[in-house]
Amino acid sequence: KAGVTQTPRYLIKTRGQQVTLSCSPISGHRSVSWYQQTPGQGLQFLFEYFSETQRNKGNFPGRFSGRQFSNSRSEMNVSTLELGDSALYLCASSLNWDTQYFGPGTRLTVL
Amino acid sequence: AQSVTQPDIHITVSEGASLELRCNYSYGATPYLFWYVQSPGQGLQLLLKYFSGDTLVQGIKGFEAEFKRSQSSFNLRKPSVHWSDAAEYFCAVVTLTQGGSEKLVFGKGTKLTVNP
Repeated sequence: KAGVTQTPRYLIKTRGQQVTLSCSPISGHRSVSWYQQTPGQGLQFLFEYFSETQRNKGNFPGRFSGRQFSNSRSEMNVSTLELGDSALYLCASSLNWDTQYFGPGTRLTVL
Repeated sequence: AQSVTQPDIHITVSEGASLELRCNYSYGATPYLFWYVQSPGQGLQLLLKYFSGDTLVQGIKGFEAEFKRSQSSFNLRKPSVHWSDAAEYFCAVVTLTQGGSEKLVFGKGTKLTVNP
């Protein structure tokens, strides 16, 4: 089975712009979670989607949003980018509630 | 709130030496615990997990971890480290929310350097 894929792998944006990141889960996985990884804060949970519904959301501002499609693919969007949004964004999928499998991440740099 | 503590930010070992990475958790119920490894610029790869049963779990790449409820610990071990094991290691606990959702709470990570 193919693993979790994320596109693009790298992005450079400027402050004030918006960005959309994409994640394709492992085939058959219906849960998709997003995490932000920074050197200062480590790995932090953004949100989780299951069957096109957001079931859980972390402590991030409303500029961070996401959605999930009927084929379980997910996108996350960050509007009005700030310098502090520079991070590695990781997507993970799971079949059941137990084990999450991660993609390679999207490295976002905000200038 | 659930939390995971990895006391060692950075560990250096010689190739062929044994390794133990520490992890302590705070969780009210039976914890579901994981170790992930991350190579530079890469995502997280699952090394092993503990849900229940035998407290010594085997993982990939020759790693094992032991769950000790009395010490709230889930330490990762490897008897002989290879240069390719140099990476950052994350311990995590899964928490369940009211909506049936799950999320991982991670420790800050331990960076492993392997000297030749």
